[in-house]
Order: sequence, then structure tokens, then C-alpha cells
Amino acid sequence: GNSVTQMEGPVTLSEEAFLTINCTYTATGYPSLFWYVQYPGEGLQLLLKATKADDKGSNKGFEATYRKETTSFHLEKGSVQVSDSAVYFCALSVDSSNTGKLIFGQGTTLQVKP
Amino acid sequence: DAGVIQSPRHEVTEMGQEVTLRCKPISGHDYLFWYRQTMMRGLELLIYFNNNVPIDDSGMPEDRFSAKMPNASFSTLKIQPSEPRDSAVYFCASRSPNRNSGYTFGSGTRLTVV
Repeated sequence: GNSVTQMEGPVTLSEEAFLTINCTYTATGYPSLFWYVQYPGEGLQLLLKATKADDKGSNKGFEATYRKETTSFHLEKGSVQVSDSAVYFCALSVDSSNTGKLIFGQGTTLQVKP
Repeated sequence: DAGVIQSPRHEVTEMGQEVTLRCKPISGHDYLFWYRQTMMRGLELLIYFNNNVPIDDSGMPEDRFSAKMPNASFSTLKIQPSEPRDSAVYFCASRSPNRNSGYTFGSGTRLTVV
């Protein structure tokens, strides 16, 4: 079946540290991959996406590269800020009938300390 | 665009009472999804609609839960009777016809059943 596995949190970093949140997936077909972010008390927001192998999604200093050979879509940021503290969700969409149903990972909490 | 609008933001009700959660998707989006988020279970897809028609309700936990989408601009999720274990944050999300566009989530309804 289709599934997403994320590294467990919380991930605690100091401001300006380098961030990696690991995400691996299992999918039939050719998935599209997404990262969503959820700030406290809010809904999920699309952070970035990649729709085919070797694509790199980027937004707000975050990047993730779609690696088909390792079935991974790790999220990275070179220098985190306190305002990046949130829960990050990796997700995939595998769909031949265009439902676009997303399968989410369990989420990884990031805490950035000043 | 005002985004996906959910109401109410917070709901506190007594066990046994009926609860109705409301969602207005983004205009032009043809998919609508209802999710439930808890610490224990993470994000769970309850049901989703395409062009106002329910496509998959396999995630609805039991017969106490029902969802409707009478038109393209409105959906409801009803719990009757409510129980304390239904306490969670309920999110509505909508998606455009482009399956790679990702979802737009509402801000959620925090339900507490006492």
C-alpha cells in the first residue's frame, strides 16, 4: 500500500542551525510529494511540492528533492528561525483516477530556540 | 480569496448532544475533504467529496458521524450523539481540479465533548 514515514520528533534546534527532517515513502505508481506546515492553532499550509523524480520543491528557504531511487523527500533548511517552530507533515498523492487523495505522515514537531 | 472557511472555531458540548461542523470550500475547487486530528491518531481522513458527491467515507468512525455536501459551496459534518472520545480538531480542506495543486485547509474546529 501507500504510506509515508517521517522521523520522530520533537526536533529541537538553536536559531540559525541546519534543519533536516527525513521523509520516506512507499507508493504504487508515480506519486506527487508534498510538505505541509502547521503553526500552533492553525490549519495545515502547503509549504512545497514536487511532482516527478528529481524535482526540487522550494519555498521560504525550505527545500526538498524528490529522490525516486531512495524513495525519499527530505525537508531541509540552511538556517532556521524561531518562527519556523511548527509541525511539519510529509504527504504523497498517488492517483490514477485524479482523486488526489493525500496520505500524510505522522508529523514532526520542530522547536527552534533563540 | 478568503480560503477555506470553517465554523465554529471552537465548540464545547455535552455528551449526547448533536454537533454540526460547517465548511465553505474555495470557489472552483471540486474536491472537499474532512479530517480529524488528535494527538494519539494524528491526521485521519474521514470522508471526501467530488463535485458534491461522497466518494469515500471509509474513514468515518461509526454511524454517529455523517457528512453532507448539498452544493459546491457548503458542507457539514454531523456527530449525533457526541461522545467524549470525539474530542479533536476537525479540518476541512478543498482542492482544485489539478491534483498536483495540493490541498487548502481551513483553520479547523476544536471540538470538546464533556
